Amino acid sequence: AQSVTQLDSQVPVFEEAPVELRCNYSSSVSVYLFWYVQYPNQGLQLLLKYLSGSTLVKGINGFEAEFNKSQTSFHLRKPSVHISDTAEYFCAVSVGRWNKLVFGAGTILRVKS
Amino acid sequence: DTGVSQDPRHKITKRGQNVTFRCDPISEHNRLYWYRQTLGQGPEFLTYFQNEAQLEKSRLLSDRFSAERPKGSFSTLEIQRTEQGDSAMYLCASSTDSEAFFGQGTRLTVV
Repeated sequence: AQSVTQLDSQVPVFEEAPVELRCNYSSSVSVYLFWYVQYPNQGLQLLLKYLSGSTLVKGINGFEAEFNKSQTSFHLRKPSVHISDTAEYFCAVSVGRWNKLVFGAGTILRVKS
Repeated sequence: DTGVSQDPRHKITKRGQNVTFRCDPISEHNRLYWYRQTLGQGPEFLTYFQNEAQLEKSRLLSDRFSAERPKGSFSTLEIQRTEQGDSAMYLCASSTDSEAFFGQGTRLTVV
């Protein structure tokens, strides 16, 4: 069965510093990979996705992620964070015939001034 | 607004009562999913519809839960005889082949 592990439950970082949110997955088949952001009491918004092709994927709000098949990782990065990036971030894999999503437990990014 | 719409946004109910939530997907999407998210966790898959057919149900979906999607348009999720453990955010998503779009969710509190 597929699973997703987000290695950090919380990441505090100062404004304008770089950040990396880590995600590892397990799967015996090819997968699609996603990062979503969730603001308090809101639904999920897609940041970026990897379907195929280039392993470096660029998304919205200056975020990017790199797919590493050998390490089964899909870490999310941003070179300079803003206060408004404070939110919870979820890594997910799309699995099975119906492309349902399996999510990690989430990483809370807290940006401090 | 052409996104996924969920109603109500919040629901407080007494234990033992029945509740029903509605999801209106993006109109051209024939795939619709329900997920449940509890505090401090990522969303967990509950069920999937392709058009009006319910094609997969998670073991999380006990007999007290039922979902429908009449005519392949909006969907409803009903919980009968609610329990405190049902308190969660219920998220609906509709999708293309490669991307799921989520609604803002219905937060259920069972008291």
